[in-house]
Amino acid sequence: EVQLVESGGGLVQPGRSMKLSCAASGFTFSNYGMAWVRQAPTKGLEWVATISYDGSSTYYRDSVKGRFTISRDNAKSTLYLQMNSLRSEDTATYYCTRKGSGWYFDYWGQGVMVTVSS
Amino acid sequence: DIVLTQSPALAVSLGQRATISCRASQSVSTSSYNLMHWYQQKPGQQPKLLIYDASNLASSIPARFSGSGSGTDFTLTINPVQADDIATYYCQQSRELPLTFGSGTKLEIK
Repeated sequence: EVQLVESGGGLVQPGRSMKLSCAASGFTFSNYGMAWVRQAPTKGLEWVATISYDGSSTYYRDSVKGRFTISRDNAKSTLYLQMNSLRSEDTATYYCTRKGSGWYFDYWGQGVMVTVSS
Repeated sequence: DIVLTQSPALAVSLGQRATISCRASQSVSTSSYNLMHWYQQKPGQQPKLLIYDASNLASSIPARFSGSGSGTDFTLTINPVQADDIATYYCQQSRELPLTFGSGTKLEIK
């Protein structure tokens, strides 16, 4: 059974940093691209970043480019999202997702809440 | 960015057909693929993939769900609707980056 378990969320002040982790199990992690998708409270879904199966390619939405870094450790089957210079508009539930054969998300974690507030 | 437009809500009776639409601001189809995907999100839960590439049923999704469309107009159909289908449904395009989602259609029981 595919499982994606996020951790590392919480309350953080504007301008500070936070790192999210996602522990994957139930599949061969190193064979799949992975992504982060977020959802602001009571809002819709927003793609954040994607990383290729081997970590050699990364893609970001413009609003997080230069502030967020997606990375992975295939030996640990873990996905990361380093978030710097956080803004109030980054407040959201962040979902770890597995990339399907195309650019869609075939499995989702339960999500982790990030609140950016002073 | 490609904007995906969905109606905010749809009310249907149990046992009837629900048709949820998604319109893209530009074509999301290539010569080989229709790059539109559908997700279901129940309250308090993470989204779940229902349909990929416009018409392919995702793993373990019941055949009551189906998808169709090409170019800029796509449809998710649920037939027949069951009580467990109460959720918000999102479309998502992968024709170009940034990947974008529709604003969601909330399915309600009439």
